[in-house]
Amino acid sequence: EVQLVESGGGLVQPGGSLRLSCAVSGFTFSNYWMHWVRQAPGKGLVWVSRINKDGSSTTYADSVKGRFTISRDNTKNTLYLQMNSLRAEDTAVYYCARVRASSGRDFDCWGQGTLVTVSS
Amino acid sequence: QTVVTQEPSFSVSPGGTVTLTCGLSSGSVSSSDSPSWYQQTPGQAPRTLIYNTGTRSSGVPDRFSGSILGNKAALTITGAQADDESDYYCMLYMDNGIYLFGGGTKLTVL
Repeated sequence: EVQLVESGGGLVQPGGSLRLSCAVSGFTFSNYWMHWVRQAPGKGLVWVSRINKDGSSTTYADSVKGRFTISRDNTKNTLYLQMNSLRAEDTAVYYCARVRASSGRDFDCWGQGTLVTVSS
Repeated sequence: QTVVTQEPSFSVSPGGTVTLTCGLSSGSVSSSDSPSWYQQTPGQAPRTLIYNTGTRSSGVPDRFSGSILGNKAALTITGAQADDESDYYCMLYMDNGIYLFGGGTKLTVL
């Protein structure tokens, strides 16, 4: 069974840092591009970042560029999102998502999300 | 700044048909934007319904269909059921490798 399990969320002060993890199982992690998507409380989905299969290529939304870093460890089957200089507007549930292999441009599996709250 | 537009809300009667749309603030949506559609109920992760404009994801009932209508992507639900009451999001792939979600449509079935 394919599973994506996020962790690492919590309460952090503005300007602080947090690292999210997404542990995957049930498929060959190194064969898939991966993404992070977030959703502020009561708001819509927002794409955050993507990483290619071997971690050599990354892309970010303008709102997080320069502050967030996506990475992966294919030996540990884990995706990461390092979040620095956090702001109140970064408060959201963060989902990791797997890119569908056949299409390359949509998500076929999602984790359940981890909540990040940025507040003093 | 490109924005993906969706109707904020829509209502459909049980058994009825509804079409939700996904447009661009500047320009037209085409199949090359690889529109995909996601369903989300409160407190749950999104579920993929449609990808590559009109391909249903595994396990998705055939009452859900996707297409391009005019200059927008469209999600049509034919024979709406009570458990279709959800939020629906479209997503487009932009040329520079950026993905954009629409603001979502809250669908009420009553």
